[in-house]
Amino acid sequence: SQTIHQWPATLVQPVGSPLSLECTVEGTSNPNLYWYRQAAGRGLQLLFYSVGIGQISSEVPQNLSASRPQDRQFILSSKKLLLSDSGFYLCAWSRLAGWPDTQYFGPGTRLTVL
Amino acid sequence: GENVEQHPSTLSVQEGDSAVIKCTYSDSASNYFPWYKQELGKGPQLIIDIRSNVGEKKDQRIAVTLNKTAKHFSLHITETQPEDSAVYFCAAGNQAGTALIFGKGTTLSVSS
Repeated sequence: SQTIHQWPATLVQPVGSPLSLECTVEGTSNPNLYWYRQAAGRGLQLLFYSVGIGQISSEVPQNLSASRPQDRQFILSSKKLLLSDSGFYLCAWSRLAGWPDTQYFGPGTRLTVL
Repeated sequence: GENVEQHPSTLSVQEGDSAVIKCTYSDSASNYFPWYKQELGKGPQLIIDIRSNVGEKKDQRIAVTLNKTAKHFSLHITETQPEDSAVYFCAAGNQAGTALIFGKGTTLSVSS
């Protein structure tokens, strides 16, 4: 069966510090991968998606970036965090074939920028 | 692009009552409509989905209906229980899209 992992689970960072969140998927190959952000009490905002290694599409201009160094690894980064970057970050995957298909979400990372 | 509206934003029911959450979408090409349940501090979990070639789908106490002509779909929960309390999200997707478009969520509270 497929499993999606995210770490860390929680993170408190000062404004201006760098960020690296990691997501890995097990049990599948060539998945579509996604990063979402969810502000407190708000809906899901798609940040990035990837259909393959090194292929990243950005949905929202911001100070965040994403990379996919391996087939089942997706990384969200920032060089300098802003207060507005606080939120709940969710990684998700779906099967590449048979679009549109279900997206399966990871457990999330709670980021607080102080 | 696609836009998904979800109503109501909050819903309170008594245990045993039914709950209905409605969503409308704008892109007539959308053909996949999942519903997710998100408990506090956790990632959303798929609870049911429907494709455009089906008008209704049921799974025990949960059902989803789709009206492609009117471009709206609904989640129905019968015999609600306190453990149904969570935030529910609808979404829409299509062949040309790159990702699902989500509604803003409905906070369902079931009181015993």
